[in-house]
Amino acid sequence: NAGVTQTPKFQVLKTGQSMTLQCAQDMNHNSMYWYRQDPGMGLRLIYYSASEGTTDKGEVPNGYNVSRLNKREFSLRLESAAPSQTSVYFCASSGTRTGTMETQYFGPGTRLLVL
Amino acid sequence: AQTVTQSQPEMSVQEAETVTLSCTYDTSESNYYLFWYKQPPSRQMILVIRQEAYKQQNATENRFSVNFQKAAKSFSLKISDSQLGDTAMYFCAFISSGTYKYIFGTGTRLKVLA
Repeated sequence: NAGVTQTPKFQVLKTGQSMTLQCAQDMNHNSMYWYRQDPGMGLRLIYYSASEGTTDKGEVPNGYNVSRLNKREFSLRLESAAPSQTSVYFCASSGTRTGTMETQYFGPGTRLLVL
Repeated sequence: AQTVTQSQPEMSVQEAETVTLSCTYDTSESNYYLFWYKQPPSRQMILVIRQEAYKQQNATENRFSVNFQKAAKSFSLKISDSQLGDTAMYFCAFISSGTYKYIFGTGTRLKVLA
């Protein structure tokens, strides 16, 4: 039981390049999330998927797109990377049973550097 | 708007001592959940403890306990018998019941000294 996995662990991009961050969970959770973490700040929600087939914007969605490929996988795409997107990106998931939906479990993070 | 405030950017504690990390929040909701997450140097976000707002009893998990004061909107974390492995960034988080958006504080960096 791996929990939440993310690939890659680390990536360097040039301004204007595109890339997709991958996330998968094996906990049969319905909801999945993408966050970014910048120095001196807590995590901020980029996008989330409450259930398979749905996605919604979070606090900082500009410059990103997401795809909920199936129940297990939720990807984050940067179409044209900018230096301001240099950050650590976390994927998370949560269940739907009463008392568990609100608890999110996080992946190990992807460190992204945009030059 | 809901907010979470952690007013202590950094703290230190001697090994085996007790330390308390502060968190206050602002919300008009009555049903919500509060969490403490630990982020060690590995960057992995690890759930430490969770509190349901409707429960009056403070949550405990081994050496970790909370002091939940609903009227004061305060949610502090107490770590007893501190260990070197407790050295990490600690984040307080809030979520309204039935929603999907965590609100995180800015974190408290805790260093446990040998």
